[in-house]
Amino acid sequence: DIVMTQSPDSLAVSLGERATINCKSSQSLLLSSNNKNYLVWYQQKPSQPPKLLISWASTRESGVPDRFSGSGSGTDFTLTISSLQAEDVAVYYCQHHYNTPHTFGQGTKLGIK
Amino acid sequence: EVQMLESGGGLVQPGGSLRLSCAASGFTLSSYWMHWVRQPPGKGLVWVSRINSDGSSTSYADSVKGRFTISRDNAKNTLYLQMNSLRAEDTAVYYCVRFSMTDPWDVWGQGTTVTVSS
Repeated sequence: DIVMTQSPDSLAVSLGERATINCKSSQSLLLSSNNKNYLVWYQQKPSQPPKLLISWASTRESGVPDRFSGSGSGTDFTLTISSLQAEDVAVYYCQHHYNTPHTFGQGTKLGIK
Repeated sequence: EVQMLESGGGLVQPGGSLRLSCAASGFTLSSYWMHWVRQPPGKGLVWVSRINSDGSSTSYADSVKGRFTISRDNAKNTLYLQMNSLRAEDTAVYYCVRFSMTDPWDVWGQGTTVTVSS
């Protein structure tokens, strides 16, 4: 099974500052036949289902603010929030869908400093 | 409006069974592969199972293999999860999620809570 490891487990950033969350997979998520990384990022707020932010490692979903961006390829990925807003306080998860089981990272809790 | 609504959760004793349903609206279920994901109280997300668009192929997490069965009725636009031999560690909120290569993991249901306790 592919193991997904996020870092850090928790993070506190000042409003307006950059937040960076990392996700590392135990094997490459890049499929050479289509040059796609099979990785997504979610935001989850309390008592809500996860909300898809980024698919294919770097494609921002429609309606997601452009302060959210995803980068990386292969085994190392990053979610960046360029200027933290109060409404961004949440837990963030990465997940792969390269093969089954489609494992998640353990989550990163993002708060305000 | 595209949405999915889970139902069927509740309190069940260890060893018991439950059948979860996920009713889709605003889109054609048969166009999507579907997944179940669960979240134990206060913990992270765990992938449980998936089924392809016509129901001919399924996959399960090791923790539920042999106990849970995923199925679908495309005519009713509904996804199911039959859960047997339930254990305390199956206690979680269960979400259904749709998947396609053009819109992977883009729509989640609100979740249904399963509690396994005596």
